[in-house]
Amino acid sequence: DTAVSQTPKYLVTQMGNDKSIKCEQNLGHDTMYWYKQDSKKFLKIMFSYNNKELIINETVPNRFSPKSPDKAHLNLHINSLELGDSAVYFCASSQAAGPQHFGDGTRLSIL
Amino acid sequence: AQKITQTQPGMFVQEKEAVTLDCTYDTSDPSYGLFWYKQPSSGEMIFLIYQGSYDQQNATEGRYSLNFQKARKSANLVISASQLGDSAMYFCAMREGATGGYQKVTFGTGTKLQVIP
Repeated sequence: DTAVSQTPKYLVTQMGNDKSIKCEQNLGHDTMYWYKQDSKKFLKIMFSYNNKELIINETVPNRFSPKSPDKAHLNLHINSLELGDSAVYFCASSQAAGPQHFGDGTRLSIL
Repeated sequence: AQKITQTQPGMFVQEKEAVTLDCTYDTSDPSYGLFWYKQPSSGEMIFLIYQGSYDQQNATEGRYSLNFQKARKSANLVISASQLGDSAMYFCAMREGATGGYQKVTFGTGTKLQVIP
């Protein structure tokens, strides 16, 4: 029983395409996040939602649009993909001051 | 200024020895939390240990302990009796802000630990 699951695990696509990554958590957490991990392993927060409400929106191109239909789901849609978008994208969730639980990551490769 | 600083990009340790991974942080918020995560080569992020800013005692979880020195703003991870499976990337992270919704978590750049048999 996976706590935070994100799909797909791998995403290979061409520049200019639009793609989505889905994330679901069954931990009952109120807060969900999207992180981007670059090739140097640096983890940077992109977005955070608390009870479906956007609370953190870092400096991210507006080609990236998160959507939270309910507090257990946080999806990430990316328009007009660029080479620089190649990275591993992690979804995470947390409750109050507790630790973040991460999904296994989605490795996005732009050709 | 960097919020979280991990000055050791890479470390080696002999199997069964203890190792300390350094982490310093910078915040003016009186309420914060410090976390350590492990990322093995398979890529998943595994939560290891947590220390709250108001916690009086250093956190421990099995072979992991957090050496929290508040005045020095350091939160070093100590791994005792290293095992080959401890070889991984280790990230220090800090949560700032009050609980209840708005929490920003900042990660350090990581330390790659390699355990030598």
